[in-house]
Amino acid sequence: QVQLQESGPGLVKPSETMSLTCSVSGGSMNGYFWGWVRQPAGQGLEWIGRISSSGTTYYNPSLKSRVTVSVDTSKSQFSLKLSSVTAADTAIYFCVRGDYDVGGRNWFDPWGQGTLVTVSS
Amino acid sequence: QSVLTQPPSASGTPGQRVTISCSGSSSNIGSNSVNWYQQLPGMAPKVVIHSNNQRPSGVPDRFSASKSGTSASLAISGIQSDDEADFYCSSWDISLNGWVFGGGTKLTVL
Repeated sequence: QVQLQESGPGLVKPSETMSLTCSVSGGSMNGYFWGWVRQPAGQGLEWIGRISSSGTTYYNPSLKSRVTVSVDTSKSQFSLKLSSVTAADTAIYFCVRGDYDVGGRNWFDPWGQGTLVTVSS
Repeated sequence: QSVLTQPPSASGTPGQRVTISCSGSSSNIGSNSVNWYQQLPGMAPKVVIHSNNQRPSGVPDRFSASKSGTSASLAISGIQSDDEADFYCSSWDISLNGWVFGGGTKLTVL
């Protein structure tokens, strides 16, 4: 059973770049896409971006200029970098696997437990 | 403002059937499948319905869903106190080239 675990600093200063890593255990990364979703406190979910195991990326247009998602299948990890952060980027960040069916339809399963990132000086 | 529109709240008494709607457009629900996620308090979301109406193994058959045109709905029959959670619909948007979510519906079991 695949499990995902986020790691990274919980506190980032405004204007800096936040970096998170998601470690994948219990299964191969090949053939799936991997992504990030965030949730500000008390608010809804926002998709950030995704990457295939071969490296193809898609980003939320509203964040695209600041986001980079990368993958290292040899380490069973993928990462998120978000630059020029502000208080508005304070949120719980979840890493997800993109599962799929024979029809090519996708969904997020599983999810990591989430990690809180606070942007503050 | 979420791309997909959900009612902020829904409620019912134990044993009742509750439905949650999700409204989108031709660029998302109208073109792609809908997934539903349940987020229990303090937990990460988990998928309860994918591909419009498919239940992952382990999800009770009390959960069902449908899609018609640019709208979708999730139904939970025989609701129980431990069904209390936030529910989110989601779909791929071909105009935005990305995943979009509804704003979430908080289910309260009275």
